[in-house]
Amino acid sequence: DGGITQSPKYLFRKEGQNVTLSCEQNLNHDAMYWYRQDPGQGLRLIYYSQIVNDFQKGDIAEGYSVSREKKESFPLTVTSAQKNPTAFYLCASSLLAGATGELFFGEGSRLTVL
Amino acid sequence: GESVGLHLPTLSVQEGDNSIINCAYSNSASDYFIWYKQESGKGPQFIIDIRSNMDKRQGQRVTVLLNKTVKHLSLQIAATQPGDSAVYFCAVSTSYDKVIFGPGTSLSVIP
Repeated sequence: DGGITQSPKYLFRKEGQNVTLSCEQNLNHDAMYWYRQDPGQGLRLIYYSQIVNDFQKGDIAEGYSVSREKKESFPLTVTSAQKNPTAFYLCASSLLAGATGELFFGEGSRLTVL
Repeated sequence: GESVGLHLPTLSVQEGDNSIINCAYSNSASDYFIWYKQESGKGPQFIIDIRSNMDKRQGQRVTVLLNKTVKHLSLQIAATQPGDSAVYFCAVSTSYDKVIFGPGTSLSVIP
């Protein structure tokens, strides 16, 4: 079945460590997105990519990095510079770039800093 | 920039009643509006969308109403069922810019 796969589902990290969250899609979508979700808040955009080898910062990019070397893959690295990384991270994709259609979300990755 | 807010963070309804979830946005140039449903521990799922050239759109048991004059969006769920219990988000975009999500309304259905 087509969809978005995020891994791992749960991840624990010690302070000072970088971690990478995986996001893969087989929907042949052009655009991919990373959102952060905290309790009681809406989704906040971290980074997005509208085409391979190109990406843009969202509203809360500080302490995060991404790459888009393949159309199918958009990994997110949470670096040690992110001061409050404990959160639920959601990856999404859309058929076309430019926020013109629905977003398809993965099941999310829950990161906890110990 | 755009900001999106909800009138109520939580809503409880009796099974079989209709539910109405409201959303307000700030940018009068916003032109695409989407409602998502998120069940516990899962990613959001698309429910219904509407573009600014429409005032109303209906799906299966759901209706979205758009009032551009007061910058207000609502989601109506008919004959609410226990499976409708979830968090509902409205999302707004402007002229092919990124999508901005509201804070979400948690809907609880009382059997």
